[in-house]
Amino acid sequence: SQQGEEDPQALSIQEGENATMNCSYKTSINNLQWYRQNSGRGLVHLILIRSNEREKHSGRLRVTLDTSKKSSSLLITASRAADTASYFCATDADGGATNKLIFGTGTLLAVQP
Amino acid sequence: DVKVTQSSRYLVKRTGEKVFLECVQDMDHENMFWYRQDPGLGLRLIYFSYDVKMKEKGDIPEGYSVSREKKERFSLILESASTNQTSMYLCASSFGTGGKNIQYFGAGTRLSVL
Repeated sequence: SQQGEEDPQALSIQEGENATMNCSYKTSINNLQWYRQNSGRGLVHLILIRSNEREKHSGRLRVTLDTSKKSSSLLITASRAADTASYFCATDADGGATNKLIFGTGTLLAVQP
Repeated sequence: DVKVTQSSRYLVKRTGEKVFLECVQDMDHENMFWYRQDPGLGLRLIYFSYDVKMKEKGDIPEGYSVSREKKERFSLILESASTNQTSMYLCASSFGTGGKNIQYFGAGTRLSVL
């Protein structure tokens, strides 16, 4: 079953603008991850945030986590055309008891040059 | 860098054929996964394996089987391919649980069953 739900499903912005994507989940987690997928390719891991962290940065990426609301957001600052891709959040299934991840349905980001 | 290699990028098969999708990882990861990805449905887990010769059903195992005879190789088998198995298939591997459950993906195999 899919636990993560991304919002919006699709987002179109201009180069240089910021892009924000949100993810909601249902059960308790040990960590939440964000992945990126270029069209027709595999997923690439971007960033992991643990349940005891509230914010994490990596280059132009900023991830926040609110465990009380069971939600996370991914902010891409100063977007570039090369950021055009689908972005997925993933949570560890069963509170981390297994090795499985549950992926959301993704946000399709289009950055117009 | 971790490398996960899927044997084919594109595959066209006929209904009823037996289809093998191969996946090899070079990082000595314990865990390996097979997903299928369809528009609007995200990634759905078919099977996963946490050790050699071990396998666990995912969310949609029907019509599929897997084999893991060696740690680095995880094969997905479509016993009798059907048109509703036309999809993008993604293989992934990971080291372990907790903070080590980051998954590394192959480039994917786009399978068409005619």
